Amino acid sequence: AQKVTQAQTEISVVEKEDVTLDCVYETRDTTYYLFWYKQPPSGELVFLIRRNSFDEQNEISGRYSWNFQKSTSSFNFTITASQVVDSAVYFCALTMNRDDKIIFGKGTRLHILP
Amino acid sequence: SAVISQKPSRDICQRGTSLTIQCQVDSQVTMMFWYRQQPGQSLTLIATANQGSEATYESGFVIDKFPISRPNLTFSTLTVSNMSPEDSSIYLCSVGRAGELFFGEGSRLTVL
Repeated sequence: AQKVTQAQTEISVVEKEDVTLDCVYETRDTTYYLFWYKQPPSGELVFLIRRNSFDEQNEISGRYSWNFQKSTSSFNFTITASQVVDSAVYFCALTMNRDDKIIFGKGTRLHILP
Repeated sequence: SAVISQKPSRDICQRGTSLTIQCQVDSQVTMMFWYRQQPGQSLTLIATANQGSEATYESGFVIDKFPISRPNLTFSTLTVSNMSPEDSSIYLCSVGRAGELFFGEGSRLTVL
């Protein structure tokens, strides 16, 4: 069975601090895709990144970076120099097939305090 | 990207009634997905809707409660039947394209 675990339910940090959101996944498939989505207070889901199982390169996009480690089945997300606008719920997700249904973790609610 | 329009965006419903949510996509897609997000919770997949066949429901969801139609490759409806306050949620339509899953803005239902 496939599963995504986000052990951190809620995190609060002061603005400009770095914060890492953890994601651990379970699957027996050798091909899969991992995602991160952001859901700000307004409610819409914002796509952040997709990573396939054959690409373990870490990725950096501005203040955001992702660490994908197959050895530990983890796909962690780090925000550097956090800002108040980063306050949101962040979901890690998993799918076995491109463009197919995805399984979401329970999400981590991130509060960035001014 | 994919443009997904959902209607209604929100509604307040009485217990025991049914409501149909519409989802329109800007181009043809094979699969459309319906998710539910209960207050303060994550997204849970209700069913996958393929054109020309019955929807495939996830564990815990049944057709009698959540009938789905998929008359063509750009449109689907989800009906929430015989609603109770526990059905108060955001219902989201979703499609996959080029490796990304796109979501509609959701339909926020409140059942009194």
